[in-house]
Amino acid sequence: AQSVTQLDSQVPVFEEAPVELRCNYSSSVSVYLFWYVQYPNQGLQLLLKYLSGSTLVKGINGFEAEFNKSQTSFHLRKPSVHISDTAEYFCAVRRGDSSYKLIFGSGTRLLVRP
Amino acid sequence: KAGVTQTPRYLIKTRGQQVTLSCSPISGHRSVSWYQQTPGQGLQFLFEYFSETQRNKGNFPGRFSGRQFSNSRSEMNVSTLELGDSALYLCASSPSRPSGEYNEQFFGPGTRLTVL
Repeated sequence: AQSVTQLDSQVPVFEEAPVELRCNYSSSVSVYLFWYVQYPNQGLQLLLKYLSGSTLVKGINGFEAEFNKSQTSFHLRKPSVHISDTAEYFCAVRRGDSSYKLIFGSGTRLLVRP
Repeated sequence: KAGVTQTPRYLIKTRGQQVTLSCSPISGHRSVSWYQQTPGQGLQFLFEYFSETQRNKGNFPGRFSGRQFSNSRSEMNVSTLELGDSALYLCASSPSRPSGEYNEQFFGPGTRLTVL
């Protein structure tokens, strides 16, 4: 079985500061990794995904994430955040090519302050 | 292309009633998945459909059911509603089978169900 842990339930940060949202996963098989963002009263939007290849993945809105197999981590980073980045961020894993089923972490609320 | 649409967006029901939620995937997409989002349990997988066949099912009681039609539109039904069923129900669509480049799901805005 797979599981995802997002250790930080909330991360406050000042505008234009860098941020890292942490994600660790557990799986006995290879997985695909995803970060989604959810704005209030909206669905989920894909920020980036790791399927294979380069461990540094770049996504939309200036976000990037690095896959670390030895540490089973997939942390999300942004060098300079904006007020508009305030949202809930979810890390998710998917097992291989047999299903679209996503296992989500509990989410991290990013709160950007002016 | 239009995105994933879910109807209705908001719904209020009382305990014991049943409810049907609808999801229209992106045109050409054949796979539809459903998720339940609650403050306590987070995002949990309900079911996955591909070409009218349920391919995968989450750990939910039998009161939760779903189906997919030949035009890929999907519905989920919850019978005998309980207070704990209050949640945001999200639908996601995908182009084809989950392999190769077809690895992304596109989420709809969700249906907010409140059970009183």
